[in-house]
Amino acid sequence: GENVEQHPSTLSVQEGDSAVIKCTYSDSASNYFPWYKQELGKGPQLIIDIRSNVGEKKDQRIAVTLNKTAKHFSLHITETQPEDSAVYFCAAYSGAGSYQLTFGKGTKLSVIP
Amino acid sequence: NAGVTQTPKFRILKIGQSMTLQCTQDMNHNYMYWYRQDPGMGLKLIYYSVGAGITDKGEVPNGYNVSRSTTEDFPLRLELAAPSQTSVYFCASSPSPVNTEAFFGQGTRLTVV
Repeated sequence: GENVEQHPSTLSVQEGDSAVIKCTYSDSASNYFPWYKQELGKGPQLIIDIRSNVGEKKDQRIAVTLNKTAKHFSLHITETQPEDSAVYFCAAYSGAGSYQLTFGKGTKLSVIP
Repeated sequence: NAGVTQTPKFRILKIGQSMTLQCTQDMNHNYMYWYRQDPGMGLKLIYYSVGAGITDKGEVPNGYNVSRSTTEDFPLRLELAAPSQTSVYFCASSPSPVNTEAFFGQGTRLTVV
């Protein structure tokens, strides 16, 4: 089955700096890669996603890049703000009737004012 | 719009007791999922459903059962609670298993003592 590795597990940045979280996946058939943000005491919420026919996608201060050859994808947050502090999860969907997203173990991002 | 609603939010069970975690969604989504989240381990899929009357096992189904009698409801049953089932449980729904956002409930924190 699919295996998703996520790094780093914790990340501290100064407010205004950029943050980068990286994930690798094992199944070359995977074709959908969402990123979820989980604030304390809440359920995960989708912040951005990318499909395998796209190399990069941006939404304001958030961007995701995908390298299908290397089987890795990354989340980039620019001009970080204290409200960006949360746990971020990457995930991969391998299709083929699996109906299952495989999640990384999460990255706890702390933005220091 | 309530989205995905889970009850209860917190519960303490004794070993061997049974309980049902309730999940209901008002978005008319066909796909529903139950995940468990353990510290530092990401989200693991327990069971999923592709529509009323259809359920299937995920990655970690042992010790759990589900049913899907209506589109809206997807309860998760623990028959003989064990300490290993101490976790935070999330229910989610989506209109499709891929390329669309999965909406998560607020979670149920379960402790088995």
